[in-house]
Amino acid sequence: AQTVTQSQPEMSVQEAETVTLSCTYDTSESDYYLFWYKQPPSRQMILVIRQEAYKQQNATENRFSVNFQKAAKSFSLKISDSQLGDAAMYFCAWNYGGSQGNLIFGKGTKLSVKP
Amino acid sequence: DGGITQSPKYLFRKEGQNVTLSCEQNLNHDAMYWYRQDPGQGLRLIYYSQIVNDFQKGDIAEGYSVSREKKESFPLTVTSAQKNPTAFYLCASSSQRTYATEAFFGQGTRLTVV
Repeated sequence: AQTVTQSQPEMSVQEAETVTLSCTYDTSESDYYLFWYKQPPSRQMILVIRQEAYKQQNATENRFSVNFQKAAKSFSLKISDSQLGDAAMYFCAWNYGGSQGNLIFGKGTKLSVKP
Repeated sequence: DGGITQSPKYLFRKEGQNVTLSCEQNLNHDAMYWYRQDPGQGLRLIYYSQIVNDFQKGDIAEGYSVSREKKESFPLTVTSAQKNPTAFYLCASSSQRTYATEAFFGQGTRLTVV
């Protein structure tokens, strides 16, 4: 079965510091996409960043970057220069576009940002 | 503006009642999904549909039903058979042309049993 595991239920970071959220997944597929979603207190899900499994280069989006280790099936999210607005639930998700064509989500990490 | 609209934002259900959550999208997406979110549980898939008039059960379909009569609409009915329906429900859609496309989410419906 395909699974996504986020081992950190809660994390905390000081404003302007860097924090890394962990995600591991289990699959036998070779081509797939990985995503990080942010869910702020408004509960609106927002895509933060995506990574294709075939690309060795780690994706970056402004202050957000990933460390993708395909062999280890690891997909961590690094947030640099943390801002108060980064406080949210962060979900790692995986999609291989198979017959189900759906995203499989981890349980999420709650990130707090201290001023 | 393109997007997904869920209604209502808050919904209260009495014991034994069926209730229907609305989800409409104008993104021309083929695939639509319903997720349930409980504290500490992440998002769990209830039903999904990849094409009109076809849908598939997800991981926790018991006590729920859906229809997909139009591409734009994917309503979810929470039946009286669902014993613990209090939760936050999210609807999403995505393009099936490539699985690289992310899912777009509605703003959710908070369902409470009273």
